[in-house]
Parts: sequence; C-alpha cells; structure tokens
Amino acid sequence: DTAVSQTPKYLVTQMGNDKSIKCEQNLGHDTMYWYKQDSKKFLKIMFSYNNKELIINETVPNRFSPKSPDKAHLNLHINSLELGDSAVYFCASSRPSADTYEQYFGPGTRLTVT
Amino acid sequence: AQKVTQAQTEISVVEKEDVTLDCVYETRDTTYYLFWYKQPPSGELVFLIRRNSFDEQNEISGRYSWNFQKSTSSFNFTITASQVVDSAVYFCALSDPQTGANNLFFGTGTRLTVIP
Repeated sequence: DTAVSQTPKYLVTQMGNDKSIKCEQNLGHDTMYWYKQDSKKFLKIMFSYNNKELIINETVPNRFSPKSPDKAHLNLHINSLELGDSAVYFCASSRPSADTYEQYFGPGTRLTVT
Repeated sequence: AQKVTQAQTEISVVEKEDVTLDCVYETRDTTYYLFWYKQPPSGELVFLIRRNSFDEQNEISGRYSWNFQKSTSSFNFTITASQVVDSAVYFCALSDPQTGANNLFFGTGTRLTVIP
C-alpha cells in the first residue's frame, strides 16, 4: 500500500490557469507538508498542516493555498500559474512525537507551466 | 535561522570504492534533528536516517554509516564499497521541532555517480 500518494504525477498547463495537486497519506500521521523542488534540485518547505491547522507559511505567494479536508489529505491549489511555478512539488507527512520526526514523501508532481 | 551546507555538488567514484558525503549545519537551537534522504533517478525521496542533537553516537546500517560531531556541526555520510544502485542525489536536512511543525531545511544535495 502506498504511504503517501500524490495525483497527478505530471501536470502540464498554460500560464494563467488554476490547478490543484492532491495528496493523501494512509500512515495516520498528524502533520502534512508541501515542498517545492526547483530545476536545480533545491528543496524548500512551502506549508505545513497539523490537525487541519496551518502552522507555518513560508512566505510563498498567496496564489498558492493548501486545503485540508481531513487529517489524511492536504491538497495544493495554485491560482494564476506563472512560468516560475514550474517545479516538482512533494507532499510529505510525519507524526511529531518524542521519538519520531522523519517525514515520508510522496512521489512528487512535476508541474510544467507553458 | 537554520542552514545546511553540502559543499560537494557532485562526486564520482568507481564501484567498490568508499565515499563520504559531507554535511555542515547551523542552528541556534539546542534541540534539533538531522536527516539524510536519498533521491534516486526515479525522483522519489527516500528517508535514510534521523539523528537527534543529544545522540552523538555514530550509526552503521549495512554499507552506510553516519558520523555526527556537534563540535564541528557536521553530520557526514559514508558509503562503503559503493554500488551502481547508490547513484543518486543525497540530501542532508535539519529540522526544528520547536516550531511545532518540524519543517525540514534541506542542503543543496550531493549528486553521487558510481561508475561500474
């Protein structure tokens, strides 16, 4: 069974469009994250959600908005897409506790904006 | 602010050689966690190890070993007898559990190529 899944795996769209990427985890984790990996492979945190509450927003443009319908899902909505949004987006989850802090990542969604 | 430096951008070794990937971090916190992740050519991110700031014991897992030294703020990763399947980008990361979210701050990664 897939622990953290993302759909779609590839997304090609035009500038100005609005798109969503879905993420689901079946690990029973409390916290979910979105990371962006640019063309140089640099990974940067975008959002984290704990029990449906946004904890930290790492100053990403407000065109990006995470939405969590329940603890197992954290979707990423992007409005008015720009060329610079082209990247691989990774969803992750973890269960913050005294013993376990590792994050488990989804397979990534490669977004290409033309 | 958290910072992770992986000074080696790319490394190439011949199969069966040992290789060490360097990681240096900066943090003002006394409690923190360090990680290594592997990103093979297929693109997924694979968790390798977690180390908390209170545990400086070195760890060995098969051909992999990690050397954590708080005195030099380093968390280096050694692969012994490298294999072609070890070819990947390796990321060192630092988390800050005091934020309540344990966000990971990644280094820029080291691309390892193992030549058969």
